[in-house]
Amino acid sequence: EAGVAQSPRYKIIEKRQSVAFWCNPISGHATLYWYQQILGQGPKLLIQFQNNGVVDDSQLPKDRFSAERLKGVDSTLKIQPAKLEDSAVYLCASTRQGMTGGYTFGSGTRLTVV
Amino acid sequence: QKEVEQDPGPLSVPEGAIVSLNCTYSNSAFQYFMWYRQYSRKGPELLMYTYSSGNKEDGRFTAQVDKSSKYISLFIRDSQPSDSATYLCAMGGFSGAGSYQLTFGKGTKLSVIP
Repeated sequence: EAGVAQSPRYKIIEKRQSVAFWCNPISGHATLYWYQQILGQGPKLLIQFQNNGVVDDSQLPKDRFSAERLKGVDSTLKIQPAKLEDSAVYLCASTRQGMTGGYTFGSGTRLTVV
Repeated sequence: QKEVEQDPGPLSVPEGAIVSLNCTYSNSAFQYFMWYRQYSRKGPELLMYTYSSGNKEDGRFTAQVDKSSKYISLFIRDSQPSDSATYLCAMGGFSGAGSYQLTFGKGTKLSVIP
């Protein structure tokens, strides 16, 4: 079973620029999560999708962050405009619908805002 | 008070030592308890998963949950240099919207010295 794919692996941008991250979940996984992991901290949930619908985006800074999951498969997370404090690893995870327990993470995209 | 508390370390032990990692939590709604291992520049990898109080063993790893004290532990026996990583505890539960989510601790950075 192929894992969760994310790209790019690394991105360096200047503050106020925009950036987008892409995630391809494990085939058949209806639930997709985006997490933000700041250096030295645990992952923090940004947004959760069930198929192509948003289940929870209560911790997403909606003035600058947006996410979509067209057709219920791939997802993109965008930041516009970026701030210095957005420097972090952005992790995508997926799981089957209705599953509890742990879910599978991708390797993440490491964003540096300068 | 944060929902999940975890001592970030760092923790340095000699090869062969027994390692004890711990987390406390405050939210009684958490029903599932996990440990993830995260190597540098990689995504978190599920190591142990349990949903009941008591012990669960897998090779050199033992996960312990005490729901009455809201306390979970991970023990690593005969630690190896390859165990050097950050260990994240994660608690699974259902949000107010009824969706399943994981809440993570900050992670404990472990170094096993040959």
